[in-house]
Amino acid sequence: AQRVTQPEKLLSVFKGAPVELKCNYSYSGSPELFWYVQYSRQRLQLLLRHISRESIKGFTADLNKGETSFHLKKPFAQEEDSAMYYCALRDNQGGKLIFGQGTELSVKP
Amino acid sequence: DVKVTQSSRYLVKRTGEKVFLECVQDMDHENMFWYRQDPGLGLRLIYFSYDVKMKEKGDIPEGYSVSREKKERFSLILESASTNQTSMYLCASQTVPTYEQYFGPGTRLTVT
Repeated sequence: AQRVTQPEKLLSVFKGAPVELKCNYSYSGSPELFWYVQYSRQRLQLLLRHISRESIKGFTADLNKGETSFHLKKPFAQEEDSAMYYCALRDNQGGKLIFGQGTELSVKP
Repeated sequence: DVKVTQSSRYLVKRTGEKVFLECVQDMDHENMFWYRQDPGLGLRLIYFSYDVKMKEKGDIPEGYSVSREKKERFSLILESASTNQTSMYLCASQTVPTYEQYFGPGTRLTVT
């Protein structure tokens, strides 16, 4: 079965500390994975996707097929990074995305 | 800029009422989706549509129906609202081939 798991409901770090939001997936074949972010009182928006291998707002995510993971990382967290983060996997039939449960990141001053 | 709009930000309805949630996108996307967002459960797919007049059940379609009469509009209908349908409802449209989904601001529905 296709599944996305984000094991942490809440992650709290201090400003300037490294951040890693975990995402594990279950999928047969080559997955397409995304990270979405929702800042307070804003709509959910795409942060990055693994295919483009880009860094957005200092965040990166590497697909590790051996560990079936797509963890989101940032070396130095900022207070404005505080938000809800969702990992998502594209279904192997069509455009459906399967979302994880979400991780709330809180960056303290 | 892609715009996805939803008819209401907040809605309060009584148990048993029929509820309509409207979603409109302005980017000519074929694919549209309805999710509900609940703390600890993430986004759960209710219904989706890949074309006009086409609809497919998602993971939690019970108690809901949808309508897609025009490409830009995707409506979610709660036939008889119940308290367990109190939630945040998110609409999204999707571009192919990147499969990026663009979300509306959400409708927070409270059923009393």
